[in-house]
Amino acid sequence: NAGVTQTPKFQVLKTGQSMTLQCAQDMNHNSMYWYRQDPGMGLRLIYYSASEGTTDKGEVPNGYNVSRLNKREFSLRLESAAPSQTSVYFCASSDFGRNIQETQYFGPGTRLLVL
Amino acid sequence: RKEVEQDPGPFNVPEGATVAFNCTYSNSASQSFFWYRQDCRKEPKLLMSVYSSGNEDGRFTAQLNRASQYISLLIRDSKLSDSATYLCVVSRGGSYIPTFGRGTSLIVHP
Repeated sequence: NAGVTQTPKFQVLKTGQSMTLQCAQDMNHNSMYWYRQDPGMGLRLIYYSASEGTTDKGEVPNGYNVSRLNKREFSLRLESAAPSQTSVYFCASSDFGRNIQETQYFGPGTRLLVL
Repeated sequence: RKEVEQDPGPFNVPEGATVAFNCTYSNSASQSFFWYRQDCRKEPKLLMSVYSSGNEDGRFTAQLNRASQYISLLIRDSKLSDSATYLCVVSRGGSYIPTFGRGTSLIVHP
């Protein structure tokens, strides 16, 4: 039982390059989330997927797209990376709907540097 | 006013000390409350949920005050390994989206 996994762990991009961050969970959770974390800013929600087949914008969606590939997998795509997207990206999942005290489980994060 | 506010600290305490953090929230419809712990360069992990009647887990005690809209975390007999950032998390009833505070940094020194 691996929980939430993310790939890659680290990535360096040049401005304008594209990449996809992968996330998978094996806890049969309905909801999945992408956050970014910057110093002094806390966790900010980029996109979330309440259930398979649905996605919605969070607080900071500009410059990103997501795909909920199936119940297990939720990917985040940067089409044209910018230095402002340098950050640590966390994927999370939760069992919202079956348990009102829904806990979020986080992946280990992807550290992205855009030059 | 931010939806969830925490004192960023750092709180710098000696081993064995008792330390308490507060977190205030602005939305009176909030129903679920949590404390998460985040170690340096790691992901956040659930420390404990916060229940209306208050709850304790070993050296950790969490309290909820709905009237004043804050939650607290008390750590007794601090250990070096308690050094981390503590995140307050609040969810509205029926919402898929929890709101995270920016965290309170705790440094426990010998």
